[in-house]
Amino acid sequence: NAGVTQTPKFQVLKTGQSMTLQCAQDMNHEYMSWYRQDPGMGLRLIHYSVGAGITDQGEVPNGYNVSRSTTEDFPLRLLSAAPSQTSVYFCASRFGLAGSDTQYFGPGTRLTVL
Amino acid sequence: TQLLEQSPQFLSIQEGENLTVYCNSSSVFSSLQWYRQEPGEGPVLLVTVVTGGEVKKLKRLTFQFGDARKDSSLHITAAQPGDTGLYLCAGYRGGKLIFGQGTELSVKP
Repeated sequence: NAGVTQTPKFQVLKTGQSMTLQCAQDMNHEYMSWYRQDPGMGLRLIHYSVGAGITDQGEVPNGYNVSRSTTEDFPLRLLSAAPSQTSVYFCASRFGLAGSDTQYFGPGTRLTVL
Repeated sequence: TQLLEQSPQFLSIQEGENLTVYCNSSSVFSSLQWYRQEPGEGPVLLVTVVTGGEVKKLKRLTFQFGDARKDSSLHITAAQPGDTGLYLCAGYRGGKLIFGQGTELSVKP
């Protein structure tokens, strides 16, 4: 199993550009989520999905879109990049919604918006 | 305001010292988790505590869940340079995993 994979590893954008961060998992997990990590703020939830065709907003959804057409893939789209979106982005997945479930994280995408 | 508050945010100690990291909330959680993150990688689950008062040990790491299930602590005995990293507590709220702001630990040889 590859686990959770993310591409690209690094990305530099100019203000106003759009892009898609890719995330895929091969563990047949229903629950997937996107976080951003900024210094001193831990991980903040952007969007999440409880299954194919179902998505919902997290704590900081503005400026980001998601879709979930398959169980395996959960791409994150930046519509018009802003410097405030400079961050490290992590995709995660887990099997279910139980409080004891392990959440598996990808290696992250480091995004810089100039 | 953070639902889960961690302290301290930064900790720099010498090899062999003991340390404790705290994770506090004003809300009750059915369980709390601790993750460790190394530079350039995603967080990895260390432990889940589910019962008030529960103590779990992972080699030199001891995790405790508060009796009222509002707080947790991570104690490391005889820290080693390999323990260096970011330690994050997390809890589920409405099916979503919410994180504290993290504790950056540096253990110097």
